[in-house]
Amino acid sequence: DAGVIQSPRHEVTEMGQEVTLRCKPISGHDYLFWYRQTMMRGLELLIYFNNNVPIDDSGMPEDRFSAKMPNASFSTLKIQPSEPRDSAVYFCASSLLSISGNTIYFGEGSWLTVV
Amino acid sequence: QQQVKQSPQSLIVQKGGISIINCAYENTAFDYFPWYQQFPGKGPALLIAIRPDVSEKKEGRFTISFNKSAKQFSLHIMDSQPGDSATYFCAASIPWNAGNMLTFGGGTRLMVKP
Repeated sequence: DAGVIQSPRHEVTEMGQEVTLRCKPISGHDYLFWYRQTMMRGLELLIYFNNNVPIDDSGMPEDRFSAKMPNASFSTLKIQPSEPRDSAVYFCASSLLSISGNTIYFGEGSWLTVV
Repeated sequence: QQQVKQSPQSLIVQKGGISIINCAYENTAFDYFPWYQQFPGKGPALLIAIRPDVSEKKEGRFTISFNKSAKQFSLHIMDSQPGDSATYFCAASIPWNAGNMLTFGGGTRLMVKP
């Protein structure tokens, strides 16, 4: 299995620009999560989907952030307009809900720098 | 999200020593306690996990100790190696709830000196 695939791996953008992060979850997984990691706040859950439907977006910091999952194999996290404080590593993760499997698999992250 | 508190924030251990990282939780509904290991530039990856029906689980050099009454669990790394240098996160979840959505501790940066 290829694992969770994220793109871009690194992004440097100017303040005010739109940023789109992309994620391909592991095939067959029915949950998809977006996390943000910073030194100050650690790993924060931003939003998660179940069967492509957003379930909880209470972790999304503000209206500048939006996420979509148009199908089972693709999700995007968009920041518009971006600000320097959005600089972080954004992780996508997926899991399959089952009685025996409790593992959430992370991608390698998208490193975002907003200057 | 319910809180999971992790300590210490950073840890330096000599090669061959024992690394110990502690976590405490509040929500008694938590029923699954994994530890994730993250190397620089990589995403977190599952290292070892425990359910509260056992007090200890060992996989190679890695052991989880679990104290249900105290609502605490810890990771012990025996014979620590430089290759173990990474950030370690404890986590907790309620199985069957939200795809095993994890509540993470704040992380511990472990450095093992040669």
